[in-house]
Amino acid sequence: GDSVTQMEGPVTLSEEACLTINCTYTATGYPSLFWYVQYPGEGLQLLLKATKADDKGSNKGFEATYRKETTSFHLEKGSVQVSDSAVYFCALSDYNTNAGKSTFGDGTTLTVKP
Amino acid sequence: EAQVTQNPRYLITVTGKKLTVTCSQNMNHEYMSWYRQDPGLGLRQIYYSMNVEVTDKGDVPEGYKVSRKEKRNFPLILESPSPNQTSLYFCASSFRSGTEAFFGQGTRLTVV
Repeated sequence: GDSVTQMEGPVTLSEEACLTINCTYTATGYPSLFWYVQYPGEGLQLLLKATKADDKGSNKGFEATYRKETTSFHLEKGSVQVSDSAVYFCALSDYNTNAGKSTFGDGTTLTVKP
Repeated sequence: EAQVTQNPRYLITVTGKKLTVTCSQNMNHEYMSWYRQDPGLGLRQIYYSMNVEVTDKGDVPEGYKVSRKEKRNFPLILESPSPNQTSLYFCASSFRSGTEAFFGQGTRLTVV
């Protein structure tokens, strides 16, 4: 079945450092890929998405590019802030091949120190 | 305001006592899903519903039931809760499967 593997955490960075959280996936079809963010005590919310190969999703300074050749969707940000401290989840969903199923990674906890 | 509402937010119950966690969305979404979040295991899908009266098992359906009688509501039922169902539960909805999911605030369930 489909699977998502995320870089193990936790990750601790200083403010203004560069961030990369690795995400690779296994899927039989051509899924849509997502990054969700979970702030303390809250539900998940969409950070960015990409629906086909070579698409780049971006939001709030975060970016991720759908790389079909390496089956990856790494999350990047050039300069993190304390307010970016949260848990980040990579996810995939494929309506055409596996309608209804959604697969999430284990989550990566990011802590940004001032 | 577009939202997914879960109730209750916190629940402590005893083994074997039936309970229901409600989930309601106001976005007219076709697709709804339940997940549980456990440390080190990420989010795992319990059940999902593609539309009214259409439900199917996710990856960890044992011990849970769902129903979808109306488009907006998707309750999660634990007929006989056990301690291994202690977890943080999330309901989510999407326009359809494969599109952006909107999540509720979560329900923290403790079964003693």
